[in-house]
Amino acid sequence: DSGVTQTPKHLITATGQRVTLRCSPRSGDLSVYWYQQSLDQGLQFLIQYYNGEERAKGNILERFSAQQFPDLHSELNLSSLELGDSALYFCASSPLAGGKNEQFFGPGTRLTVL
Amino acid sequence: KNQVEQSPQSLIILEGKNCTLQCNYTVSPFSNLRWYKQDTGRGPVSLTIMTFSENTKSNGRYTATLDADTKQSSLHITASQLSDSASYICVVSFNTGGFKTIFGAGTRLFVKA
Repeated sequence: DSGVTQTPKHLITATGQRVTLRCSPRSGDLSVYWYQQSLDQGLQFLIQYYNGEERAKGNILERFSAQQFPDLHSELNLSSLELGDSALYFCASSPLAGGKNEQFFGPGTRLTVL
Repeated sequence: KNQVEQSPQSLIILEGKNCTLQCNYTVSPFSNLRWYKQDTGRGPVSLTIMTFSENTKSNGRYTATLDADTKQSSLHITASQLSDSASYICVVSFNTGGFKTIFGAGTRLFVKA
């Protein structure tokens, strides 16, 4: 158990809908990262937040957005969902913002868009 | 272009045998390299992390090596077990206007009895 929690574990929705994925980082970690992993694909970095502010952006679509709240939990919002958005979405946390910090991954949210 | 390439794409070995996974990168300026193990449907778990000055790091039966000159890393698994069946991901971080991280596509290892 990494100490990172994600909810829900599974999510099934229809095209065009909007969903929100939630992540609670390990106690004391200030940085949160979001990743997308499509079937049999590698992890794709989406976005990073550090202490409430956006720190780095990866291949995140305009239909997707995220935020980190004062209690450091983070939410990833996916809107106008398409079939291709079906994937595992992982959240990771680390103590600080820099690349030297080990990232601890949550169990993931499996999103299925029908 | 900053890239991380892993080989082989997949590998099948018998239980008890050793194996070596490769990672080549073209990232600059290099900061650190990590190997992660990811069981199917689970989040990745860190095995080792190495900075520029480190050329080997062990974690139980896992030993990672790094040659910063040739920009190559390997992960050696000794006396494989069925539970080693997973994807192994090489992750390289670099610092150019802020830290960035590139994930390799991973090597899928199957250990058979």
